[in-house]
Amino acid sequence: DAGVTQSPTHLIKTRGQQVTLRCSPKSGHDTVSWYQQALGQGPQFIFQYYEEEERQRGNFPDRFSGHQFPNYSSELNVNALLLGDSALYLCASSLRESSGGRKYFGPGTRLTVL
Amino acid sequence: SQQGEEDPQALSIQEGENATMNCSYKTSINNLQWYRQNSGRGLVHLILIRSNEREKHSGRLRVTLDTSKKSSSLLITASRAADTASYFCATDPSTDSWGKLQFGAGTQVVVTP
Repeated sequence: DAGVTQSPTHLIKTRGQQVTLRCSPKSGHDTVSWYQQALGQGPQFIFQYYEEEERQRGNFPDRFSGHQFPNYSSELNVNALLLGDSALYLCASSLRESSGGRKYFGPGTRLTVL
Repeated sequence: SQQGEEDPQALSIQEGENATMNCSYKTSINNLQWYRQNSGRGLVHLILIRSNEREKHSGRLRVTLDTSKKSSSLLITASRAADTASYFCATDPSTDSWGKLQFGAGTQVVVTP
């Protein structure tokens, strides 16, 4: 039973560029959430997808966008990268019917913006 | 902004000792969860305690919840070097039906042999 997978593991971009991060949820899960974790901080909620729609959004600008595919996998896109976007990006999956339960996190994508 | 605050920010103990960390939060919750993170990698779920529960155990872990004080504590007994990690509390706000988690800044625990 595969857990949550994310790609790539590491990524280096320059300011102003655009980036796409990918996530495959745990088998059987239908809800995907994305979190940003700056160095030395706790994860911050970006947004959550269910049935291919964004259901909730945290306090992040429109430069952050996402998508969920029919197979429940998801992408996080960040446009016009800023130095402050450097962080570990975590994907978490769960079942909508147990939305208040535990989340399963992937290993993360480390994004460095130069 | 962070929902919770963990205390202490860092903790250094020897193997065999107990480690206690605390979490305070601001809003009403459905549940509170604790996660572990090793060296900036993914988060591993440790335990979930619901708002109507006061104490929960899982192996060497003991979690308490005091909703009147909006606080929780995590106790790790008989610590091992493998327990070295950052520990985060995360709350599921009661105003939310989608299970969005709000994390604290974490407690960094170092267990020396």
